[in-house]
Order: sequence, then structure tokens, then C-alpha cells
Amino acid sequence: NAGVTQTPKFQVLKTGQSMTLQCAQDMNHEYMSWYRQDPGMGLRLIHYSVGAGITDQGEVPNGYNVSRSTTEDFPLRLLSAAPSQTSVYFCASSYGSWYEQYFGPGTRLTVT
Amino acid sequence: SQQGEEDPQALSIQEGENATMNCSYKTSINNLQWYRQNSGRGLVHLILIRSNEREKHSGRLRVTLDTSKKSSSLLITASRAADTASYFCATEDQGGKLIFGQGTELSVKP
Repeated sequence: NAGVTQTPKFQVLKTGQSMTLQCAQDMNHEYMSWYRQDPGMGLRLIHYSVGAGITDQGEVPNGYNVSRSTTEDFPLRLLSAAPSQTSVYFCASSYGSWYEQYFGPGTRLTVT
Repeated sequence: SQQGEEDPQALSIQEGENATMNCSYKTSINNLQWYRQNSGRGLVHLILIRSNEREKHSGRLRVTLDTSKKSSSLLITASRAADTASYFCATEDQGGKLIFGQGTELSVKP
């Protein structure tokens, strides 16, 4: 099992550019989520999904889109990057929000 | 606002000492989870305690849960330098989303 994988590991964007952060899991987990981590702020939930075709907003969804066409993949899209989106992004998966979460290694994003 | 809040924000101890971190939350929960994050890495699940449990052990970890006070504590006994990390509690909010606290940064000095 590869677990939860995220690509890329590092990314630098200019303000206004768009990009997609990839997340994939091979554990057949229904629940997947995206968090961002900023110094002193802990982890904040961006979007989550309870299964293929179902997504919902978390605490800080503005500026981000998600889709869940398969159980395995849960990409996060930045439509028009802003410096405020400079952060470390983590994807996680599990059998449900009440269960142990498995985290990916993170993507470090810098927006200039 | 965040469901779980950890206290203290930072803790520095010597190897061999015990480390205690606390977590308070706002709404009723089904369970509470604790995670560890080593610098620059993803979070790793440590322990889950259900709302009908008061105490749980895993190796050198001891977690307590007081649902009447809406609080939990994580005790690491006989700490080691390798325990240096950030520790987070997580609970689900009323909508069923898993929300993390801001974390406690633990430094264990050799």
C-alpha cells in the first residue's frame, strides 16, 4: 500500500495563476479531506468528501475547488492563487471523520 | 472557530520527565483523537478515545477524557528526545467534519 500520496511536494506560483494539488489513496477510504497548515493556526479544514460524487466545504473553503469523481482521487484546485494561500497543504483519508485519519506528506505552496 | 484547543501552546522538558498536554472542545463528541506531527511531515495518528471511555493507554501514552468538562489530556511518560514534535487533538464538529486544534509544540531536551 502506498497510503496517501500528494503531488507536487513543492510549488511556487505567481499571483493569479491556477494549479491543482493532487491527492490519491489506495486504501478504499470513503472520507477524504484537505487541510492547510499555517504557523500558529494549526490545521484548518478546506474541503472534504464522504464519498465519490459528494463534497462539502470546511472552515476555509474560499479560493479552492474540489471534485471527487473516484474513490481514490481528491484533487484540490486553486483557481487564482493569492499570497494568502501560501501554506502547507495536507490531504487525509479514512473510513469516516470519526476514524483514524491517514495523512499524506504535504505540499508546500508559495504564492508570490 | 476551532472545535479543539490545546494547552499549553509550547512545552519544554528534559528527557525522562513526563509531558502533559490538554485539549478542550466545545460540542458533544463521539470520540476524540490525538495526532503527532514531526517537523515538516504529515500527521500520524496516536490514539482514539471514545466518548464512553474515561482513560486509554498505548505504550507510554495515556489519554483521559472528561466529557462533563469537555476536555482531554495526553500524558507522555518518560519522555525521549524522539518525542519532540507537535501534538494535536481532533474532534468532529456538529456537522461531522473532523476539526483539529492549534497544537502543542513539545521539545524534549537530552
